[in-house]
Amino acid sequence: DGGITQSPKYLFRKEGQNVTLSCEQNLNHDAMYWYRQDPGQGLRLIYYSQIVNDFQKGDIAEGYSVSREKKESFPLTVTSAQKNPTAFYLCASSLGTGGTYEQYFGPGTRLTVT
Amino acid sequence: GENVEQHPSTLSVQEGDSAVIKCTYSDSASNYFPWYKQELGKGPQLIIDIRSNVGEKKDQRIAVTLNKTAKHFSLHITETQPEDSAVYFCAASQAGRRALTFGSGTRLQVQP
Repeated sequence: DGGITQSPKYLFRKEGQNVTLSCEQNLNHDAMYWYRQDPGQGLRLIYYSQIVNDFQKGDIAEGYSVSREKKESFPLTVTSAQKNPTAFYLCASSLGTGGTYEQYFGPGTRLTVT
Repeated sequence: GENVEQHPSTLSVQEGDSAVIKCTYSDSASNYFPWYKQELGKGPQLIIDIRSNVGEKKDQRIAVTLNKTAKHFSLHITETQPEDSAVYFCAASQAGRRALTFGSGTRLQVQP
């Protein structure tokens, strides 16, 4: 059963704590992405990775960090420096890079920070 | 950078009617325009896409049209069904760019 898995589906944290969101894909895709979705807004790009051990900042990278040690995995850490961390986080992957390949999305993680 | 505007933000239609969602983009170099459907609590799924070398593409009840001169593209859903109810996102990208730029979404409600 190929696809992208994100865990957990719901995550609750206290303010000031770092939290790591998991994203795994078995599609053998080179590129992976993290987006943030807020109510009434489109998806905004946080970080993306074109290849293992390489990643670049997206439009709203402040307060987030990522790693890409394996092709299959692209975890996102929401740090205490992120001022508004409560949101729905979506991970995606694509066969190639450059933005014109179909992106496949995971089911998302809803993070609530109080 | 690219900016994508999407209208309307909400759309309610009767079952069997057609629905049209419109998007405009700012970067004339953009050449790939996908549409995604997102059901409640799930990740978006690609439903149709179009590249700049064609003006229209159809897949059963769904069609997309592209006007490069005016920099706008539209999603058309005919014979709508209750299961079409979802949030629809348009996006745009150009070859060599890192990722997609998304519109703000349209919540489509199909009334039975």
